[in-house]
Amino acid sequence: QQPVQSPQAVILREGEDAVINCSSSKALYSVHWYRQKHGEAPVFLMILLKGGEQKGHEKISASFNEKKQQSSLYLTASQLSYSGTYFCGTEILTGGGNKLTFGTGTQLKVEL
Amino acid sequence: DAGVTQSPTHLIKTRGQHVTLRCSPISGHKSVSWYQQVLGQGPQFIFQYYEKEERGRGNFPDRFSARQFPNYSSELNVNALLLGDSALYLCASSKKTFGINTGELFFGEGSRLTVL
Repeated sequence: QQPVQSPQAVILREGEDAVINCSSSKALYSVHWYRQKHGEAPVFLMILLKGGEQKGHEKISASFNEKKQQSSLYLTASQLSYSGTYFCGTEILTGGGNKLTFGTGTQLKVEL
Repeated sequence: DAGVTQSPTHLIKTRGQHVTLRCSPISGHKSVSWYQQVLGQGPQFIFQYYEKEERGRGNFPDRFSARQFPNYSSELNVNALLLGDSALYLCASSKKTFGINTGELFFGEGSRLTVL
């Protein structure tokens, strides 16, 4: 049930763009995106709700294809501070309780 | 305002022992969820508690248990520790439970458990 992320890793030069994808085999209620820097806790970036509502940051955008159970995170004009591991979290409503399950992560490194 | 606080930050146990990890959520947050993060992997969902009731459980053995107190703080207990339990245990708080416009999760710095 863990969402699958791609790519696993990407290296960018400052100013370049990147797209990180997240897909699930389950019907999703929402998709969360978090960034974790080495040795630190994950930090919230974006949440996309079923029905199209989007909440997040100005410089980072995302999409949520409910039919395909896929989400993509768009990082434009990357900065050094964007480096870290990006996780998508998929929220699934089940009869046995609700879960927020994180993917395997995408390591992003931005270089000068 | 104080963020999510976890204790202890680091601990070392031996196989078969028991451990208790503690978490204090952000003031006003009623939901606490626990995650296990092994090096190089994403956080794995263990439990979610909201208003002192368990609202979700991940695929972890019964050796793992948790509870939430009236002040919304929470404890994660792990019995009969195994080497494979070595990981960073993250606590996250949010205003609402999963499935009801959850919103942002705020993570603590984690408790790093080493089992020898």
